[in-house]
Amino acid sequence: DIVMTQSPDSLAVSLGERAAINCKSSQSVLYSSNNKNYLGWFQQKPGQPPKLLIYWASTRESGVPDRFSGSGSGTDFTLTISSLQAEDVALYYCQQYYITPYTFGQGTKLEIK
Amino acid sequence: QVQLQESGPGLVKPSQTLSLTCTVSGGSINSGTYYWTWIRQHPGKGLEWIGYIYYSGSTYYKPSLKSRLTMSLDMSKNQFSLKLSSVTAADTAVYYCARYRLSGENIDYWGQGTLVTVSS
Repeated sequence: DIVMTQSPDSLAVSLGERAAINCKSSQSVLYSSNNKNYLGWFQQKPGQPPKLLIYWASTRESGVPDRFSGSGSGTDFTLTISSLQAEDVALYYCQQYYITPYTFGQGTKLEIK
Repeated sequence: QVQLQESGPGLVKPSQTLSLTCTVSGGSINSGTYYWTWIRQHPGKGLEWIGYIYYSGSTYYKPSLKSRLTMSLDMSKNQFSLKLSSVTAADTAVYYCARYRLSGENIDYWGQGTLVTVSS
């Protein structure tokens, strides 16, 4: 199985500041035939299901605010929130869907400083 | 608007079979565009992709669960289901059903999740 490792495990950022969460996969999730990275980012708030923010490593899901962006390729990826809002407090997960079983990172808890 | 809703017993005894159903509204499961997916989350833990079923009935099961897992479709009720046999406390989790887009755009809709506790 592809192992997804996120860093840090938790992060405290001031409102309006930038937050960055890293994700590393144990093997490349870049599909060479279409040059797409099969890497997603999800946000989960307490008592709710996860919500897709980013797919193909950098494509924002419809309706997701543009302060959320994804970057990276191959095995190293980053989710960036450009200006943290109070409603962004949540757990964030990266996920590879390149090879089954699709696997998630352990999660990063984002809080307000 | 597409909605998914899990249903089933919240408490299952060890060694018995966990059975859940996901009812889909606002869209048909008889579509070649999606994988109908189950994901679980152990209490306070991360997410685990269990498997999926396609409208044709073909399935993918996570290998570590494959011997205990069965997924099925009921087109007449627009539902898909999961059965996990010989459960133990390690199967206690919130179980989510979800719709995965075959285009590669990942999951767009989730159910709210249902907590299943395995305990005598």
